[in-house]
Amino acid sequence: EVQLLESGGGLVQPGGSLRLSCAASEFTSDNYVITWVRQAPGKGLEWVSGFSGDSGRTYYANSVKGRFTISKDNSNNTLYLQMDSLGAGDTAVYYCAKGYHSSGYYQYYLDHWGQGTLVTVSS
Amino acid sequence: QSVLTQPPSASGTPGQRVTISCSGGNSNIGSNAVDWYQHLPGAAPTLLIFTSNQRPSGVPARFSGSKSGTSASLAISGLQSEDEADYYCAAWDDSLSGYVFGTGTKVTVL
Repeated sequence: EVQLLESGGGLVQPGGSLRLSCAASEFTSDNYVITWVRQAPGKGLEWVSGFSGDSGRTYYANSVKGRFTISKDNSNNTLYLQMDSLGAGDTAVYYCAKGYHSSGYYQYYLDHWGQGTLVTVSS
Repeated sequence: QSVLTQPPSASGTPGQRVTISCSGGNSNIGSNAVDWYQHLPGAAPTLLIFTSNQRPSGVPARFSGSKSGTSASLAISGLQSEDEADYYCAAWDDSLSGYVFGTGTKVTVL
């Protein structure tokens, strides 16, 4: 069973930066995806960014493009999300989630989730 | 603002059947498979249905999914009190090159 453990959340001032980490117990398939999904207070789920295991391609939601950077360290099975130029709208619980995608992305689903880490952007 | 639209709420009494709709477009549901997630308060979301109508192991058979054109639906048959949660549809969007979630539906067991 895959285990995902997020860390790095906390309080940051507007305009500041924060780096989230997601330690994964294993990556056993090529066609895996590992993503960040967030939920702002009182709001629904929002996909933020994703990393494709087979191609190494990265994807971003329009709301974070140019401000957030996703990366993966293969030496320790850890996914990172570097978040810059943070604003109040980025306040949310950030979940790390791992799943699968098919070629062409017809199939894309997230079947393992971490417990989340809270990011609060406030002065 | 999500590109997948769900009703904000749905409800039923124990044992009833509840259906949740998810409306999208050609670049997401019309082109790709749909997934459904259950999100209980204070917990991480869990995958309920993948590839439009497949259930992961451990998910009760009372949950079922379907897709037609640019819409999808989740049905809960034999509603139980532990089904009270938020439910989200999701799909890959070819135009956005990203995974999009629906607006979410809160299911209440009366």
